[in-house]
Amino acid sequence: QVTLKESGPGILQPSQTLSLTCSFSGFSLSTYGMCVGWIRQSSGKGLEWLANIWWNDDKYYNPSLKNRLTISKDTSNNQAFLKITNMDTADTATYYCARSPRCDPGITTNWFAYWGQGTLVTVSS
Amino acid sequence: IQMTQSPSLLSASVGDRVTLSCKAGQNINNYLAWYQQKLGEAPKLLIYNANSLQTGIPSRFSGSGSGTDYTLTISSLQPEDVATYFCQQYNSWTTFGSGTKLEIK
Repeated sequence: QVTLKESGPGILQPSQTLSLTCSFSGFSLSTYGMCVGWIRQSSGKGLEWLANIWWNDDKYYNPSLKNRLTISKDTSNNQAFLKITNMDTADTATYYCARSPRCDPGITTNWFAYWGQGTLVTVSS
Repeated sequence: IQMTQSPSLLSASVGDRVTLSCKAGQNINNYLAWYQQKLGEAPKLLIYNANSLQTGIPSRFSGSGSGTDYTLTISSLQPEDVATYFCQQYNSWTTFGSGTKLEIK
């Protein structure tokens, strides 16, 4: 059974760096074809894809946010991470991690079959 | 790629056949998924590759379309189908539509 769960700071101040953790079970990110992505949802911008990481450590970022994003993974502990620098009030959102069913070489994104419950991040001074 | 969903709000009766629309800004080659999101929950995958039903999803849900125009159909609306429905293209990076909120009349 595939499960994912996000964790984060809950609240942070403008200009700070957001660090998110996705803890998952039921699959390994070292297995061929596995991949995890981050998506956020705000009332203002709806659902917005942020980044994906592949089993082979290939990384793909939303071009409009690429300069602020860093995705990484720890296969030993079944975790994926996302850092977003220079947070602003506009980044207030629920952040989800999700797994695609299969991610083959040559593609950058796919549909998301499994989602975590999401973690709310509020940016406020 | 911009994804435009219509209508933004749809009210229908139990048992009705319901059609939701998603239009892409360019040809997305059937690389389209549909999700259902109930209040306070994460999105749930319904359809992928435009017309493939995800395992465990009731057969009253179906997807169709090609090129830039895609449709999610619920053949007989049930009370538990009250939710917001999103489309997602994954032909070029990935973008989501703004959603259709479905209510029971």
